[in-house]
Amino acid sequence: AQTVTQSQPEMSVQEAETVTLSCTYDTSESNYYLFWYKQPPSRQMILVIRQEAYKQQNATENRFSVNFQKAAKSFSLKISDSQLGDTAMYFCAFRRPGTYKYIFGTGTRLKVLA
Amino acid sequence: GAVVSQHPSRVICKSGTSVKIECRSLDFQATTMFWYRQFPKQSLMLMATSNEGSKATYEQGVEKDKFLINHASLTLSTLTVTSAHPEDSSFYICSAREPGQADEQYFGPGTRLTVT
Repeated sequence: AQTVTQSQPEMSVQEAETVTLSCTYDTSESNYYLFWYKQPPSRQMILVIRQEAYKQQNATENRFSVNFQKAAKSFSLKISDSQLGDTAMYFCAFRRPGTYKYIFGTGTRLKVLA
Repeated sequence: GAVVSQHPSRVICKSGTSVKIECRSLDFQATTMFWYRQFPKQSLMLMATSNEGSKATYEQGVEKDKFLINHASLTLSTLTVTSAHPEDSSFYICSAREPGQADEQYFGPGTRLTVT
């Protein structure tokens, strides 16, 4: 069975600094999808970034980028130039192709400090 | 992007009563919707997958008779918590998959249920 582990329950970063959130996963599949979702205090889940396992290039969305290490089964999220609005809970998620079931990690609470 | 709404956003009910939560896709037709439960400071756990016009598929350990799911149209799925108990208090989130957008789900804003 697939599992997703986020080992950092809480993190903080100064505004304008860079922070990296860790995520590891376990699967025997060779192809799959990985996601980072943001859940701000409003509780609305927002897709931050998505990575397809068969693509070697790391995904990037503006200030958000990932470091995808397939062999190590690691999928970390880097937030550059952190902003106060980045304060939220961040969930790493895994999904197998052909299914729509997400497996979420336990989340990392990120606080951006002014 | 696609928008999913939930109603109500908060509900308080007495133990033993039933409560219905609605999930709507506002600008697209969702053949598949998903219901999640999130305990405080914990992750989202998938409860069931709701397919339009057919029975929901429940995850292991989820009581189908307690959590009734109906997906009567392409834009609406409902979750009814029957004979609610305080331990059912939680945050319930739905998501919807837009056909053709194979790997993206859009999440609703969630419903906080408190059973007294």
